Amino acid sequence: GQNIDQPTEMTATEGAIVQINCTYQTSGFNGLFWYQQHAGEAPTFLSYNVLDGLEEKGRFSSFLSRSKGYSYLLLKELQMKDSASYLCVPAPGQNFVFGPGTRLSVLP
Amino acid sequence: DTGVSQNPRHKITKRGQNVTFRCDPISEHNRLYWYRQTLGQGPEFLTYFQNEAQLEKSRLLSDRFSAERPKGSFSTLEIQRTEQGDSAMYLCASSARGSTDTQYFGPGTRLTVL
Repeated sequence: GQNIDQPTEMTATEGAIVQINCTYQTSGFNGLFWYQQHAGEAPTFLSYNVLDGLEEKGRFSSFLSRSKGYSYLLLKELQMKDSASYLCVPAPGQNFVFGPGTRLSVLP
Repeated sequence: DTGVSQNPRHKITKRGQNVTFRCDPISEHNRLYWYRQTLGQGPEFLTYFQNEAQLEKSRLLSDRFSAERPKGSFSTLEIQRTEQGDSAMYLCASSARGSTDTQYFGPGTRLTVL
């Protein structure tokens, strides 16, 4: 089976840095995705890690440790528009497994 | 490339009625996925297609649900004898090939069963 653990909610201040952690257990592993989902909208792709290490893409970075079943998403220079849910999505095999995500609120 | 489109965007129906949703994936994407999402939860996998073949169905997909992708392009999801518990956002996503490819989501169809 699959199990994903992320904090339910986080709050941060505009301009700050926030790290959203994710631990997972899956029966197989084909990489890990992070998606962003604004309220009432569809998820949009942020990042994909299949090897250990840090992938940086602008203000967003994603880290993966396969041996620990651990990933994090790092958001720098937070903006109000970053208020959204962030979904950690392991790809155990043929399908994605979505957890409830972390709802991030960015305050002025 | 216009992205994944879904129709209708909103559907309100009475309990017991049948509804059908359509998804048009990104052209030349081989894989097409259907998910259901309720408030405060992540998307739940329902089923997926590789071209026209339906390769996997979730246990969530009761016999009232059926999906097709007849020519390997657009797909339809039908729910028969709708129940109030079917009220949710139904999301469609497509990817180029397989499980390591990014899934691109459509805007979803919000179903309300009265």
